[in-house]
Parts: sequence; structure tokens; C-alpha cells
Amino acid sequence: RKEVEQDPGPFNVPEGATVAFNCTYSNSASQSFFWYRQDCRKEPKLLMSVYSSGNEDGRFTAQLNRASQYISLLIRDSKLSDSATYLCVVNSVGRNNDMRFGAGTRLTVKP
Amino acid sequence: NAGVTQTPKFRVLKTGQSMTLLCAQDMNHEYMYWYRQDPGMGLRLIHYSVGEGTTAKGEVPDGYNVSRLKKQNFLLGLESAAPSQTSVYFCASSYIIGGADQPQHFGDGTRLSIL
Repeated sequence: RKEVEQDPGPFNVPEGATVAFNCTYSNSASQSFFWYRQDCRKEPKLLMSVYSSGNEDGRFTAQLNRASQYISLLIRDSKLSDSATYLCVVNSVGRNNDMRFGAGTRLTVKP
Repeated sequence: NAGVTQTPKFRVLKTGQSMTLLCAQDMNHEYMYWYRQDPGMGLRLIHYSVGEGTTAKGEVPDGYNVSRLKKQNFLLGLESAAPSQTSVYFCASSYIIGGADQPQHFGDGTRLSIL
């Protein structure tokens, strides 16, 4: 079983839609969680960290459910520019900042 | 402020050839990493370093070697390239605050093809 699993998608949504991605992780002792965004043929870039109490950054909301070992990303009012692959990232405890990446969920926002 | 810079950006090698990928960061980060990204598999950690002069194995270290002689540079070497090493390679760096992981900053990648 992969340490971090994501639905690969693709998710195809119209502009203005709300879309949600989930990510599950296998290590119950994981402590740090992030969502990254990766555009085609580009490097991953940090979208937001995920905090235990949940956090919001504009149209983006991240949630953490430790009991069920998953994190989620909600995008409201989708824009064309949101089209990208979204990577879930979880640290691997005990390995000095050794992050494990999900394979990514691809999102396409259409006019 | 360049951030994380990788060279070269593209390279084609023949099986058995050797090469070195260079990563340089100007953010004074302690931690540096080398990943490979293959279709459908996400990024996988090859090796990482928690400081100058130190290196450690990641998830997929076989066939690669690394060195961190200077804090700002992290080199990834392929001693004898194999077609299975065809991939996109990303370097990243980060720092730690009070033991808490901080997000990693990535270079723009090296596309390597082994024929």
C-alpha cells in the first residue's frame, strides 16, 4: 500500500464550480501535511499547509482528519487558472523532514 | 533571489554513461533533497541531506550517489546510467523551525533520457 494515496482524476469542472479532493495516508504518526500544486512540465509549488484545526486561504480550504487519516482540499468558485495537478504531501515521521508525495489529482477547469 | 537552481535542464545519455546533476540554493536552507518523478507515481525521494557534509538514503537510492560539500550545493550522480533512470529529476530545499517541518522549495527540474 502506498504511504500517500490520491484519486488521480481527472476532475473536469466548469468555471465557478466547487471541487474537493481527498488524500489518505497510512502512517498514523505523520505530523506535517501540505498541498502542492504542479502545472504541466513545471515544478511543484506550495499551495498551503494543512493544520489540525483546518485552514482557509481565499477560495481554498484544507482539512485534516487524523482519526480517519485523510486530508482534503476544497476549491470554491473554480477559475481556469486552477487547472493543475494537486499533490498531497505527508511527512514520514522519524526521517528528518522526509516527505512522501501522493501521485497527484489532476484538475481541469473549463469555461 | 534565484531560489533553487538546477543544471542542466535537459540531457540525453547513452546506457552506461555517467553524469552529475547540480542543485544550488541561495536561501541558506539546511535541508536539500533529490526526487524523481515518473508518470502516475508522484515524486519519490532518492537521497537527501540535513546539512553540509551529510547525506542519507531516501526511498529509491539505488543507482545514484550524492554529495553535499557546500551548504548551498547538492550534487546527484549517476555512475552508469540505465534506461530505468529516464525521468524528471527535481531538487528541493527547506529549513526546520523548532523541529517542525517546513515546506520544500523546488527547482524547475531536469529532464533526463537514457537511451
